[in-house]
Amino acid sequence: SQQGEEDPQALSIQEGENATMNCSYKTSINNLQWYRQNSGRGLVHLILIRSNEREKHSGRLRVTLDTSKKSSSLLITASRAADTASYFCATVDPYSGGGADGLTFGKGTHLIIQP
Amino acid sequence: EAQVTQNPRYLITVTGKKLTVTCSQNMNHEYMSWYRQDPGLGLRQIYYSMNVEVTDKGDVPEGYKVSRKEKRNFPLILESPSPNQTSLYFCASSPDPGQGITGELFFGEGSRLTVL
Repeated sequence: SQQGEEDPQALSIQEGENATMNCSYKTSINNLQWYRQNSGRGLVHLILIRSNEREKHSGRLRVTLDTSKKSSSLLITASRAADTASYFCATVDPYSGGGADGLTFGKGTHLIIQP
Repeated sequence: EAQVTQNPRYLITVTGKKLTVTCSQNMNHEYMSWYRQDPGLGLRQIYYSMNVEVTDKGDVPEGYKVSRKEKRNFPLILESPSPNQTSLYFCASSPDPGQGITGELFFGEGSRLTVL
């Protein structure tokens, strides 16, 4: 099954700076989702971008999708200490046989915001 | 409050002692799934269920069983746990079991299992 790969694996920035994480995937997708996971906790859905969309915003989050390069980026602007977490992209493969089982996760980017 | 509830949150057990991790959601979601999370391996799907009495294997089903007798519950059963099943387990649900998931997954808080 295909899997998104986040880059970088870890990122440490100062509070107030912008944080950018990237996700690359291998085959065509229905949509791509970003999730956040605070240490040891459950994942929380952040944003979904469909394959026919190029950019989406939600508060301080901006997601872009380039299907020709099979990549997506998540930008967090004006970072805060509370943004410290792991961030995962998840892709939906339209050829998985149908159904929600087509969702696969990358290994995540661990973001640390230094106060 | 809409939520996915897992129990137990933490468990230490010994090899071979059957255990069940319960998962319940109060959102009337049709789709439910179990994942395990291991360092360096990310999230891997164990089993999923599209609806009551409909379950299917994910990427790593060996050593696990599930059942879906009611819409809200999706227990994960380890008949004979082994140390390689030491992991952080997550249950998730979604309202959309249709033509490829289009909506979000709602995750439980996780169950940390240690098998000695």
